Amino acid sequence: LAKTTQPISMDSYEGQEVNITCSHNNIATNDYITWYQQFPSQGPRFIIQGYKTKVTNEVASLFIPADRKSSTLSLPRVSLSDTAVYYCLYRGFGNEKLTFGTGTRLTIIP
Amino acid sequence: DVKVTQSSRYLVKRTGEKVFLECVQDMDHENMFWYRQDPGLGLRLIYFSYDVKMKEKGDIPEGYSVSREKKERFSLILESASTNQTSMYLCASSSGGVQGPLEQYFGPGTRLTVT
Repeated sequence: LAKTTQPISMDSYEGQEVNITCSHNNIATNDYITWYQQFPSQGPRFIIQGYKTKVTNEVASLFIPADRKSSTLSLPRVSLSDTAVYYCLYRGFGNEKLTFGTGTRLTIIP
Repeated sequence: DVKVTQSSRYLVKRTGEKVFLECVQDMDHENMFWYRQDPGLGLRLIYFSYDVKMKEKGDIPEGYSVSREKKERFSLILESASTNQTSMYLCASSSGGVQGPLEQYFGPGTRLTVT
């Protein structure tokens, strides 16, 4: 059974770099890992996706080790507006099942 | 700009009622999804569709059905609402068919309360 683990919550001060890790023990061989941000009373919003090694866009970086059993979302120089819940999403190996992570509630402290 | 809309933001229904939740996307996406989100349980997939008139069960399809008669519209149906179906319901869409990318676009959600 696919199992996804994320820290339940994290706190960080403004201006710091934040790293959130998702562990996924059963990821499909040839599929992407994606990350989402969700604010209260809104649907999740796509942030970034990657397959392996490192991907960077204008808001975040995504690090994926060679075994692909985990991924780390990196938010550089966070601000108060980054306070949200962050989810990873991937497709499971074999059954192709879409699986969201349990979510990490990130709180940015002024 | 990408847009997924849901018919209601808030809905209150009585136990045993038939409930329709509508979702419309304007991106010509092949895939559409229905999730429910509950505190402590995260997002759970109810049903998804990768083409018109096609549907696949997700993790928790019991008590729900879906309809996709047109590419842009995906409906979630609660045949006989129960209190344990009180939840936030989220619709999403993505391109690319059943093996398509995981970049999903979500609607704002419908908070359903069943009394």
